[in-house]
Amino acid sequence: EAGVVQSPRYKIIEKKQPVAFWCNPISGHNTLYWYLQNLGQGPELLIRYENEEAVDDSQLPKDRFSAERLKGVDSTLKIQPAELGDSAVYLCASSLSGRNEQFFGPGTRLTVL
Amino acid sequence: AQKVTQAQTEISVVEKEDVTLDCVYETRDTTYYLFWYKQPPSGELVFLIRRNSFDEQNEISGRYSWNFQKSTSSFNFTITASQVVDSAVYFCALRGGSTLGRLYFGRGTQLTVWP
Repeated sequence: EAGVVQSPRYKIIEKKQPVAFWCNPISGHNTLYWYLQNLGQGPELLIRYENEEAVDDSQLPKDRFSAERLKGVDSTLKIQPAELGDSAVYLCASSLSGRNEQFFGPGTRLTVL
Repeated sequence: AQKVTQAQTEISVVEKEDVTLDCVYETRDTTYYLFWYKQPPSGELVFLIRRNSFDEQNEISGRYSWNFQKSTSSFNFTITASQVVDSAVYFCALRGGSTLGRLYFGRGTQLTVWP
C-alpha cells in the first residue's frame, strides 16, 4: 500500500513569492493533516481536515496561508506571500479518522531567501 | 493544556548498548493517547507505537520496549542492543481526548549510534 505522497520534496523561493505544496493521503484515509516542523522542533499542527471540511485550523496563519482539500482526497497548502520565517519542513499526514494513528509523508523542505 | 517534554536533546551510544529515551507529558484529560515516532534522515516520521491512558502494561516489540507510568506521567522508550540503523530523531507525542486528532509533539531526541 502506498504511503502519503508529497510534492515537491524541496522548494527554494525568494521572499514575497507564492508557493504551494501538494499532498496525496493514503487511500481510504478520511482525515488529513498539515504540520509545520521548524528546525530542531517537533511538528506543529496547522490544519486538520475531515473529508472536505477543515475542522481544526486554529493554528493556521490565515493572513498568508490557505489550504484546500477538494473532493476529500488530495490537499494543497499555499503560502502567499512567503516570508523568511516560513522556511521549514511542511509535513502532510493522514489517518482513517481523528482517533487513529497518523501516517506521515516525507515532507516538503521550504527555503525562503 | 497538552505538553510533551523530551529533556534529552542528543544521545550518543556505541552499537549494542541499550539506550532509553525519556518522555514526560502533561494533560488534564482523563483519556489520552501517547505515541512514539522515528524520524530518520530521510525526514519521514515513522509511527512506532500508540498507548492508551487506561492501559499501563509495558510493551515489547523486538528490540524496542516502552514503559508507561501514569504516576510519573512518563512514557519512556528503550532500545536494546542498539544498531547503527537506529540513528534518528525520536519524537514522543500526546493526543488528548479533548483535542481529537491534534498531536502534541516533544522537541525530539537525536539518537546517534556509532559502530
